[in-house]
Amino acid sequence: EAQVTQNPRYLITVTGKKLTVTCSQNMNHEYMSWYRQDPGLGLRQIYYSMNVEVTDKGDVPEGYKVSRKEKRNFPLILESPSPNQTSLYFCASSSTRTSGRLADTQYFGPGTRLTVL
Amino acid sequence: RKEVEQDPGPFNVPEGATVAFNCTYSNSASQSFFWYRQDCRKEPKLLMSVYSSGNEDGRFTAQLNRASQYISLLIRDSKLSDSATYLCAASWRAGSYQLTFGKGTKLSVIP
Repeated sequence: EAQVTQNPRYLITVTGKKLTVTCSQNMNHEYMSWYRQDPGLGLRQIYYSMNVEVTDKGDVPEGYKVSRKEKRNFPLILESPSPNQTSLYFCASSSTRTSGRLADTQYFGPGTRLTVL
Repeated sequence: RKEVEQDPGPFNVPEGATVAFNCTYSNSASQSFFWYRQDCRKEPKLLMSVYSSGNEDGRFTAQLNRASQYISLLIRDSKLSDSATYLCAASWRAGSYQLTFGKGTKLSVIP
């Protein structure tokens, strides 16, 4: 089954304690992305990756890091979490066609609800 | 800043009604457009891509107006199961791709 998985699904942590949210896809997609979703602010892109070892900042990258060492994995790292990073996080992946356009279907993971105390 | 703006909503409509959502985008270089559906506390799922010529899928019709920089979604004969938040999104390429979402419009279909 084609899917994007995220772990953990729920996490409560304290300020300053480093954490990693994993994201994995089994569709051999080139493009992967992280979003956060907050009430009244919608989905905002944190980082994205066009392929292995290629990452770019989205709209709200401050306080986050990512890496793309393998095609299937795109972990999101919070080196020193703060309460303003309490949010619902989604990972997504998509294919990019040979014509260079972002493919129609972007598959989202089930989300990770993070609370930073 | 590249933005996508949606009707604020919420939209409360009776079953069987026709409802239309509009979405404007600020980046004229945007290449691809999408409508997503998101149920409460769930991940967004692609509802439709939006093509220049307009496209229809059952009760759903999507339109793109590049001159005015807006996309629309029309839902005919609304069902209770259509209740959800609808997100529009636009992507563009400037070296690499970015995909920006609107904040979403909540639809409640009432019996």
